[in-house]
Amino acid sequence: DQQVKQNSPSLSVQEGRISILNCDYTNSMFDYFLWYKKYPAEGPTFLISISSIKDKNEDGRFTVFLNKSAKHLSLHIVPSQPGDSAVYFCAAMMDTGRRALTFGSGTRLQVQP
Amino acid sequence: GAGVSQSPSNKVTEKGKDVELRCDPISGHTALYWYRQSLGQGLEFLIYFQGNSAPDKSGLPSDRFSAERTGGSVSTLTIQRTQQEDSAVYLCASSISVGNQPQHFGDGTRLSIL
Repeated sequence: DQQVKQNSPSLSVQEGRISILNCDYTNSMFDYFLWYKKYPAEGPTFLISISSIKDKNEDGRFTVFLNKSAKHLSLHIVPSQPGDSAVYFCAAMMDTGRRALTFGSGTRLQVQP
Repeated sequence: GAGVSQSPSNKVTEKGKDVELRCDPISGHTALYWYRQSLGQGLEFLIYFQGNSAPDKSGLPSDRFSAERTGGSVSTLTIQRTQQEDSAVYLCASSISVGNQPQHFGDGTRLSIL
């Protein structure tokens, strides 16, 4: 039972355009959400997070949006750069009980020069 | 650097042998986590430690897996009597505390069981 789902395994965008990566979750006890970027042979790198009390968080070119009623979050990257090409993982944590991250399966982003 | 350090970066061993994987968390981080990523799979939680509290072992796949964290810092993940299905990248992460804090990952140990 996948509690965090990234339904798009891959995404290709042109340099300078917006990249939108999507994530859906099923567990209503999740209250903290994160996005990680991963290059081959490296560990995931933390990008941005959002608490369930917010619906938007921005950090430079990265913005995360959270729609609690739809159990959906998205990561916007604008403008996209070739160096952003990587696998992006959405992750979620519960507000009580197990405090480990539950990850989605990842979306491979390719930014074309 | 000041990031999470894992060793070895690669480990090849024969089925049935025991292996130990090491993790040095970021200095000052009280929470430490182990995950693994098998080929074609997502990241799967194994175990976490928070301060002096009893670890949450709920993600360990079998009793062949165990972990320790000595002195609240370095952690060792031990896999006894390895099986081929244990082949994966084992990732360690740390955070300032358990809770709504980002976890920062090391580059992992790639374990291959022959």
